[in-house]
Amino acid sequence: DAGVIQSPRHEVTEMGQEVTLRCKPISGHNSLFWYRQTMMRGLELLIYFNNNVPIDDSGMPEDRFSAKMPNASFSTLKIQPSEPRDSAVYFCASGEGYTEAFFGQGTRLTVV
Amino acid sequence: AQKVTQAQTEISVVEKEDVTLDCVYETRDTTYYLFWYKQPPSGELVFLIRRNSFDEQNEISGRYSWNFQKSTSSFNFTITASQVVDSAVYFCALSEALTGTASKLTFGTGTRLQVTL
Repeated sequence: DAGVIQSPRHEVTEMGQEVTLRCKPISGHNSLFWYRQTMMRGLELLIYFNNNVPIDDSGMPEDRFSAKMPNASFSTLKIQPSEPRDSAVYFCASGEGYTEAFFGQGTRLTVV
Repeated sequence: AQKVTQAQTEISVVEKEDVTLDCVYETRDTTYYLFWYKQPPSGELVFLIRRNSFDEQNEISGRYSWNFQKSTSSFNFTITASQVVDSAVYFCALSEALTGTASKLTFGTGTRLQVTL
């Protein structure tokens, strides 16, 4: 398996624009997680899905953030409108049951 | 609520020295999982180890070893004979079994390890 695949790897966008981050989990994994890494807040969980259903979105910072998982092999994290403070590295991870989480390479988002 | 504390922000050692990274955790759950991840300068998060709360046996994997002590709520990580390639940020993380998954992680703030020649 190629592991968790995220796209794009880097994204630079202007404030106010919509940004969509994409993730393909490892085949067979039933849980998918979106994490954000910033200097100020470290690594924090934004939302996670189990069997394509959102289970806990308490980490989503604002209504500007939304996430979907239309099927077992694809998820998106959307920010609309984006703001400079959204600049961070966004990681997608997948797991199965009580196994460890496998992380994607991350998407480095810069909002100018 | 769960919490992970990595008090060491940054550690610098000379190659071949041994180094221990500290991790202290808090949880009310009786069943939980502890992890260490490595984040090299390239930025990805690399899984190193998972330990469940019922298994206090220490583990050794090559130059890496982990010491889990429930009595002190600690899960420390030692690198023996450090190498320049060990330079990275190391994260300790906790997951509570009540969440139904081991991948809902609470991370510590990380320890940056710098190994020089």
